[in-house]
Amino acid sequence: KAGVTQTPRYLIKTRGQQVTLSCSPISGHRSVSWYQQTPGQGLQFLFEYFSETQRNKGNFPGRFSGRQFSNSRSEMNVSTLELGDSALYLCASSLEQGDQPQHFGDGTRLSIL
Amino acid sequence: GENVEQHPSTLSVQEGDSAVIKCTYSDSASNYFPWYKQELGKGPQLIIDIRSNVGEKKDQRIAVTLNKTAKHFSLHITETQPEDSAVYFCAARVNNAGNMLTFGGGTRLMVKP
Repeated sequence: KAGVTQTPRYLIKTRGQQVTLSCSPISGHRSVSWYQQTPGQGLQFLFEYFSETQRNKGNFPGRFSGRQFSNSRSEMNVSTLELGDSALYLCASSLEQGDQPQHFGDGTRLSIL
Repeated sequence: GENVEQHPSTLSVQEGDSAVIKCTYSDSASNYFPWYKQELGKGPQLIIDIRSNVGEKKDQRIAVTLNKTAKHFSLHITETQPEDSAVYFCAARVNNAGNMLTFGGGTRLMVKP
């Protein structure tokens, strides 16, 4: 069974641009969560989608947004990029809501110049 | 919200020794506690998890213990091998809060041959 797939693996952008990251969950998984990983702040929850609806949102500015499609694939978008947005963005999927293990992809490394 | 503290931040052991990583959490409503292993260039990999109705769980060389009263949970790795070298993260999930995980700061484990 294929794991969580994130594309692209690496991305370089400049300040002020916007970016879209993609996540394909494990087949059959309907919940997709996004996390930001940085050396200073560690792993921080961004948001979770289940059945195309955002169910939870972390403490990030409105520049960070996401969506989920009917096939459970998800995208996240960051607008007006700042230097501090440089991070590894991780996607995790699980079968259903609550009480199910989450499995992570290998992430998208975003660098802002 | 939930807060998870993890200790130590780095741990160096000789091959064959045991390693113990400890975490504490703040929200008594947390009921699911996974542990992840992250190798360089990879996403976090789920290695073991425990639910609040269980005090201990073991999987070969890895075990996790949970003390709900003290809000502590620990990862135990016995007979460590060089391939156990990685960063380990504990996490907690609050009941009825979807799949949002709150992570500890991570422990870099180095197993010296």
